[in-house]
Amino acid sequence: DTAVSQTPKYLVTQMGNDKSIKCEQNLGHDTMYWYKQDSKKFLKIMFSYNNKELIINETVPNRFSPKSPDKAHLNLHINSLELGDSAVYFCASSQQVAYEQYFGPGTRLTVT
Amino acid sequence: QQQVKQSPQSLIVQKGGISIINCAYENTAFDYFPWYQQFPGKGPALLIAIRPDVSEKKEGRFTISFNKSAKQFSLHIMDSQPGDSATYFCAASMRRDDKIIFGKGTRLHILP
Repeated sequence: DTAVSQTPKYLVTQMGNDKSIKCEQNLGHDTMYWYKQDSKKFLKIMFSYNNKELIINETVPNRFSPKSPDKAHLNLHINSLELGDSAVYFCASSQQVAYEQYFGPGTRLTVT
Repeated sequence: QQQVKQSPQSLIVQKGGISIINCAYENTAFDYFPWYQQFPGKGPALLIAIRPDVSEKKEGRFTISFNKSAKQFSLHIMDSQPGDSATYFCAASMRRDDKIIFGKGTRLHILP
């Protein structure tokens, strides 16, 4: 009965590889987000989708590509991973407006 | 300016004391000010929120004070407990946008 779930929880990979992180929400929300949290805990929004449509793309390298097969899922694919991509990535969802967001447990990505 | 400034960066409080975290914003179009709490290894979770037409909101030991003219708001944690040790994020959003602007976070440690 988890509200927002992400897989995997941990991801260790080498530079240059391609990896994906999956997110699912069972709250019936229309909007989903991807955030990056760096080692200083700063939360930076990357993307936002509303009903499968991209509405926010915050100056993220085009190596990052979100995909929303339906409004309950928002996956993040990262090509050619770099050391600087190491961070915790959070998926979140909200009803139509951004007021109350529900966050997933996070995926800790380590690029070596 | 879409920015929310949060201070202090870290805070240590004795058990039973009052923890105070301050935030300031520039954009007067913001109409919702939530606070999120994040425990280590977990995603942020909504703690308490306020709208600018209210000067104070209290939920248990947590109180938001809001000063619209000064464009400042703060979180007070009364009778702070070791279980309150976490990172706290203030944030701001507006109805016409689909994103929340987060402050940089405050790491709170309550001494037992």
